[in-house]
Amino acid sequence: EVQLVESGGGLVQPGGSLRLSCAASGFTFSSYWMTWVRQAPGKGLEWVANIKRDGSERYYVDSVKGRFTISRDNAKKSLYLQMNSLRADDTALYYCAKDLLSAAISIGVPDSWGQGTLVTVSS
Amino acid sequence: EIVMTQSPVTLSVSPGERATLSCRASQSVSSNLAWYQQKPGQAPRLLISGASTRATGIPARFSGSGSGTEFTLTISSLQSEDFAVYYCQQNNNWPYTFGQGTKLEIK
Repeated sequence: EVQLVESGGGLVQPGGSLRLSCAASGFTFSSYWMTWVRQAPGKGLEWVANIKRDGSERYYVDSVKGRFTISRDNAKKSLYLQMNSLRADDTALYYCAKDLLSAAISIGVPDSWGQGTLVTVSS
Repeated sequence: EIVMTQSPVTLSVSPGERATLSCRASQSVSSNLAWYQQKPGQAPRLLISGASTRATGIPARFSGSGSGTEFTLTISSLQSEDFAVYYCQQNNNWPYTFGQGTKLEIK
């Protein structure tokens, strides 16, 4: 059974930093593109970033480009999101998700999701 | 960026009836369209990919159709567990984008 467990969320002041982690199990982690999607309280879903199987390609939504860095450690079966220069509008539940298919290019369809970790940016 | 627009925002339907949810893309996304269901306090659940392919374990009462810019999710006979928020998402162009959601509520 696929399991994705996020951690690292919390309360941070504007301009601060946080590092989110996602521990994966139940599938061959190194074979899948991985993704971070966020959801502001009471709002819809927003794709944040995704990363290729070997970490060689990374893509970001414009609103986080230059501030967030997605990375992975295939030996540890873990996905990360380093978030710097945090702003109030980054407040959201951050989900880790795996791509539907094992492929060299991103399919862009997450089929398994964690339960999310809440990031609150406030003074 | 491709903008995905879902309608209606809220849909009230009685159990056992049919529900039809719409999703429109601001430009063609071919058949690269997925649908998700989200219940309160839960992560999204993949229902449909490739506009019409049901994900593993999804009941046959869920069906997707469309291509280009117009898409539809149909739930043929609503069960109590189907009342939730539904999102469409295009995976044709980066950045991948979601619609704002349709809340399906009990009439």
